Amino acid sequence: DSGVTQTPKHLITATGQRVTLRCSPRSGDLSVYWYQQSLDQGLQFLIQYYNGEERAKGNILERFSAQQFPDLHSELNLSSLELGDSALYFCASNSGGGILGTQYFGPGTRLTVL
Amino acid sequence: DQQVKQNSPSLSVQEGRISILNCDYTNSMFDYFLWYKKYPAEGPTFLISISSIKDKNEDGRFTVFLNKSAKHLSLHIVPSQPGDSAVYFCAASERGGGADGLTFGKGTHLIIQP
Repeated sequence: DSGVTQTPKHLITATGQRVTLRCSPRSGDLSVYWYQQSLDQGLQFLIQYYNGEERAKGNILERFSAQQFPDLHSELNLSSLELGDSALYFCASNSGGGILGTQYFGPGTRLTVL
Repeated sequence: DQQVKQNSPSLSVQEGRISILNCDYTNSMFDYFLWYKKYPAEGPTFLISISSIKDKNEDGRFTVFLNKSAKHLSLHIVPSQPGDSAVYFCAASERGGGADGLTFGKGTHLIIQP
């Protein structure tokens, strides 16, 4: 158990809809990272938040957004969903802030868009 | 353009023998490398890492070797055990892994044969 929790575990929705994925980092971790794992692309970095502020952006679509709240949990919002958005979405955390260190991953949310 | 490549989608090794997983990268700005292990329906689990100032790091049965001039790293598992059967991901970071999203390879599925 990495200490990172993600809800829900599974999500099934229709094209055009909007969903919110939630992540709680390990206790004490200030940085949260979101990744998407699809069959053909592997694990792709989407976005990072550090202590409530956006720190780095990867291959995140404009239809996707994220935020980190004062209690350090984070939400990833996916809107105008398309079939190709079906994937596993992982959240990871670490102490962040430029300190050398690994990232600890949650169990993921499996999103299916029908 | 894939910056981290794992050219073997799968590898089969006999129990007790050495498993060698390979990874190549193209971005010379990467300075920190990590290996993650992933079981089905779970998030990636950190295994071992190496900074670009080193060429070897060892942790129990796991050793990672880094050849910067060849932009190549490898993970050695000795001896291989049935519980090592999983997908192994190579990952890299430009900023020490603590303040940036990781760039992942597509993974190698390691199968340990009894």
